[in-house]
Amino acid sequence: AQSVTQLGSHVSVSEGALVLLRCNYSSSVPPYLFWYVQYPNQGLQLLLKYTSAATLVKGINGFEAEFKKSETSFHLTKPSAHMSDAAEYFCAVTRNTGNQFYFGTGTSLTVIP
Amino acid sequence: EPEVTQTPSHQVTQMGQEVILRCVPISNHLYFYWYRQILGQKVEFLVSFYNNEISEKSEIFDDQFSVERPDGSNFTLKIRSTKLEDSAMYFCASRPTSGGAGELFFGEGSRLTVL
Repeated sequence: AQSVTQLGSHVSVSEGALVLLRCNYSSSVPPYLFWYVQYPNQGLQLLLKYTSAATLVKGINGFEAEFKKSETSFHLTKPSAHMSDAAEYFCAVTRNTGNQFYFGTGTSLTVIP
Repeated sequence: EPEVTQTPSHQVTQMGQEVILRCVPISNHLYFYWYRQILGQKVEFLVSFYNNEISEKSEIFDDQFSVERPDGSNFTLKIRSTKLEDSAMYFCASRPTSGGAGELFFGEGSRLTVL
């Protein structure tokens, strides 16, 4: 069975501070992992994805995530938060032969000026 | 850049009425999905569709839901008799292939409000 757990439904950071959004996965087979971002009143947009090519994945808008198999984690980071980063972030997992994506409950990021 | 488009962006309906939500997936994609997001909650899988038939569906996707690809471009979600708890944002998504590392491409959603 595949699933992801996002720790922290709400995260607040100051502008310019480090952003860390946590995601742990559960998968019986090597997973493919994704981070999506949802801005207010918009659909989900892909930030980055892990496809087993490299454990450190760089995405759009300065975000990156590191796949750690030993910790079953795929945490999302950004060195310096910007006001425009305020959004809902979803971690998702699928598998090589799978069809369905499993989403986490989401983390709402607030950036404080 | 190709995108998934959804209509309507917002629909208000009375309980018990039928609703059809429409989606135009990206043209060369073969796998189509509907997801639901109740306000403040997680994004939930409803159904996936391939080769003119349902390939997977969740427990949420009961007999009051149906999907159809009536022509070569549209992909619709029908709710036969809406309930208050069907109020949610419904997202259509498409994908060129099944499995592997290909991501889902989402539309901007259709907000359904059932009164």
